Amino acid sequence: AQKITQTQPGMFVQEKEAVTLDCTYDTSDQSYGLFWYKQPSSGEMIFLIYQGSYDEQNATEGRYSLNFQKARKSANLVISASQLGDSAMYFCAMILPGDNKLTFGGGTRVLVKP
Amino acid sequence: DGGITQSPKYLFRKEGQNVTLSCEQNLNHDAMYWYRQDPGQGLRLIYYSQIVNDFQKGDIAEGYSVSREKKESFPLTVTSAQKNPTAFYLCASSGRQGGLDEQYFGPGTRLTVT
Repeated sequence: AQKITQTQPGMFVQEKEAVTLDCTYDTSDQSYGLFWYKQPSSGEMIFLIYQGSYDEQNATEGRYSLNFQKARKSANLVISASQLGDSAMYFCAMILPGDNKLTFGGGTRVLVKP
Repeated sequence: DGGITQSPKYLFRKEGQNVTLSCEQNLNHDAMYWYRQDPGQGLRLIYYSQIVNDFQKGDIAEGYSVSREKKESFPLTVTSAQKNPTAFYLCASSGRQGGLDEQYFGPGTRLTVT
């Protein structure tokens, strides 16, 4: 069964600085998708970025980039130029083709300091 | 605007009562999902549906029931058999059955049972 591990329960980051959120995953499948979601205090899950296991380039979406290291089974999220509105919980998740669920990590809480 | 709506945002019930949480989407998505989130944790899959009139149990289906009579709607009933129903419930949908598409989430319903 697949598993997602986020080892950082919480982080502080200074406004305008970059922050890296760690995510490691475990699966024996060769084909899979990796996602990062943001959950502000309102509770809604906001999709940020996606990386397919066969994608050769790291995914980027605006200030979000995914540092994908397939051999190490890691998919770290980098948020550049942090803003106060980035304060939230961040979840890494994985899905397998033909599967019907996202498997989530435990999340990392980010607090951006002015 | 296309999206997923869940109602109500907050719900309070007495122990022993069944309660139904609403989820509607106008994204024309085939697949819909229900997740449960407990404080400080990631999401766990309760039920999912790939097409109308079909649904499957997720990891924690005991004490819950669903129906999928219309493509747009996927209501979740929390029955009195659910031992710890107080939680945050999130509904999601995705475009393809079993694909690697991202799942779009609704705003969630926070259920408190006393």
